[in-house]
Amino acid sequence: DVQLVESGGGSVQPGGSLRVSCETSGFTFSNSWMNWVRQAPGKGLEWVASINKDGGERHYVDSLKDRFIISRDNVKNSLYLQMTSLRVEDTALYYCARSYGGDSAFRAFELSGQGTEVIVSS
Amino acid sequence: DIVMTQSPDSLAVSLGERATMNCKSSQNVLYSSNNKNYLAWYQQKPGQPPKLLIHWASTRESGVPDRFAGSGSGTDFTLTISSLQAEDVAVYYCQQYYSNPITFGQGTRLDIK
Repeated sequence: DVQLVESGGGSVQPGGSLRVSCETSGFTFSNSWMNWVRQAPGKGLEWVASINKDGGERHYVDSLKDRFIISRDNVKNSLYLQMTSLRVEDTALYYCARSYGGDSAFRAFELSGQGTEVIVSS
Repeated sequence: DIVMTQSPDSLAVSLGERATMNCKSSQNVLYSSNNKNYLAWYQQKPGQPPKLLIHWASTRESGVPDRFAGSGSGTDFTLTISSLQAEDVAVYYCQQYYSNPITFGQGTRLDIK
């Protein structure tokens, strides 16, 4: 079973930075496209970014690409999201997700973690 | 960007009755080279992450009860729950993964009448 455990969230002031992490198990991480998805309080789901198996290809939602960086460590089986210049509207629960089957960015998502909460507030 | 629009926003159905919800994409999500619709449905219960129910528009994920069925092609899709159970109360999201940015519908909230 795909196991994803997000961590690193917290409270930060506007303009601040934060890095969230996702530890994975139950599948071959180094062969899998991975994603970050977020959900603002009481709102729907928003895809944030994706990364290919070796980190050489990354995609972002346009509104975030200048502030967020997705990365991975295939030795640690971990996914990261570095967030900078944080805004109040970045407040959300951040989930990591595996692209189904792992072989393409264009697949449904497998999510299993509880997410990590990021609160941006002064 | 492909805009996904779900209807209705909320739905109340009696236990044992059929629940039907719709999802419309602003562009075709059927990839002609493999004849697959790049459309998924997720179920999200309070305090839980979204759970993949159906992908490729009509393929049930392993372990998903067969009362859940996805249908449609191109731009119009439907999720049907044939006989509503109490544990089906949730918000349901559709998602297109045909092109970046991958986008979700706004969700349909399903309750018991």
